[in-house]
Amino acid sequence: GNSVTQMEGPVTLSEEAFLTINCTYTATGYPSLFWYVQYPGEGLQLLLKATKADDKGSNKGFEATYRKETTSFHLEKGSVQVSDSAVYFCALKNYGGATNKLIFGTGTLLAVQP
Amino acid sequence: SAVISQKPSRDICQRGTSLTIQCQVDSQVTMMFWYRQQPGQSLTLIATANQGSEATYESGFVIDKFPISRPNLTFSTLTVSNMSPEDSSIYLCSVSGQGGTNTEAFFGQGTRLTVV
Repeated sequence: GNSVTQMEGPVTLSEEAFLTINCTYTATGYPSLFWYVQYPGEGLQLLLKATKADDKGSNKGFEATYRKETTSFHLEKGSVQVSDSAVYFCALKNYGGATNKLIFGTGTLLAVQP
Repeated sequence: SAVISQKPSRDICQRGTSLTIQCQVDSQVTMMFWYRQQPGQSLTLIATANQGSEATYESGFVIDKFPISRPNLTFSTLTVSNMSPEDSSIYLCSVSGQGGTNTEAFFGQGTRLTVV
C-alpha cells in the first residue's frame, strides 16, 4: 500500500540554521509528492510539490527533490527564520481508484528560536 | 486554485450532542474530502463526498457517526454525531484541483472542535 514516513519532531533550530526534515515513502507506481505547511491556528497550505523522479520543488527558500532510487523527498532550507515555525507534512498522491486522495506523514513540528 | 470557507471555525460542545460543519468552495469541484486531525496527530481521511452519490468512508469511520451531505458541486457538510471527548479534533475540508495526481489539494482553515 501507500504510506509516508516522516522525521519525528519537534525540531528546534536557531534562526539562520540549516533545516532538513526527512521524508520517505512507499508506493506502487509513480506518485506525486507534496510538502504542506500548517502555521499555528491555520489550515494546511501547499509549500511545494514534485510530480516525477528527479523533479525539484521549491518555494520560499524551501526545496525538496523527488528521489525515486531512495524513495525520499526530504525538505531543506538553507537559513530558517522565526516565521518558518510551523508543522510540516509530507504527503503523496497516487493514481488509482476514484478517490485521488492524499496520504500524509505524521507531521514535523519546527520551532525556530531568535 | 480554490478558496474554501469552513464554518464554524471553532466550537465547544456538550457530549451527546451533534455538530454540523459546513464547507463552501468558490468553484465547482467533483470531489470533496473530509479529514480529522486529532491533537498532535497527522491528518486522517474520514470520507470522500461526491455530488449525487453516497459518500465513501474510510476504514474506521461510519455514516451513522459522520453523516455527510453533498447537495451541489460547491458545498458539503459533515456532522459529528453523538459526540464524546474523543471526537475533540480539528476537522478539515479539502478539494483537489482538476488534473489527477499532479494537482495539489486545497484546504479550509479547519473547525476546531472541543467536546466537554
